[in-house]
Amino acid sequence: EVQLAESGGGLVQPGGSLRLSCAASGFDFSIYSMKWVRQAPGKGLEWVSYISGSSSRIYYADSVKGRFTISRDNGKNSLYLQMDSLRDEDTAVYFCARVVYGSASYDDYWGQGTLVTVSS
Amino acid sequence: EIVLTQSPATLSVSPGERATLSCRASQSVSSNLAWYQQRPGRAPRLLIYGASTRATDIPARFSGTGSGTEFSLTISSLQSDDFAVYYCQQYNNRPPWTFGQGTKVEIK
Repeated sequence: EVQLAESGGGLVQPGGSLRLSCAASGFDFSIYSMKWVRQAPGKGLEWVSYISGSSSRIYYADSVKGRFTISRDNGKNSLYLQMDSLRDEDTAVYFCARVVYGSASYDDYWGQGTLVTVSS
Repeated sequence: EIVLTQSPATLSVSPGERATLSCRASQSVSSNLAWYQQRPGRAPRLLIYGASTRATDIPARFSGTGSGTEFSLTISSLQSDDFAVYYCQQYNNRPPWTFGQGTKVEIK
């Protein structure tokens, strides 16, 4: 069974940093691309970042470029999101999602999310 | 960036009735469109990919149609579990991957 479990969320002050983790199990993590997607309170879904299985391709949304860093450790079946220079508008539930294997790039499994609150 | 516009924002439907949701793209995405369901407090769940292919274990009452810029999701006979928010997502021109703003299906 595919499972994704996010952790690391919490309350942080504007300008602060936080590192999110996503533990994956039930599939060969190393061959799947992964994404982070966020959802501000009461709002819709927003793609944040993408990383290929080998980490050779990495992309960011313009809203987080230069502040967030995506990475993965295939030996630990884990995905990460380092978030620096956090702003109020980064407050959201952050989901990790598995990208379907192959050339299409929709998301076939999602974790339950971790809440990040940026506030003074 | 491709903008997806979903309509209506809210759809009020009685259990057992049919619901049709719309998603319009600002430029062609071919058939590279997915639909997700999100129940309150839960993660999104993949329903449809390739505009019309049901994902694993998705009931046959969910169907998707369309290509290019016009897409729809139909729920043929609404059940209690189906009252949720539905999002479309395009994966044709990426990055960025973009979502519609969502349609909330509520009990009438």
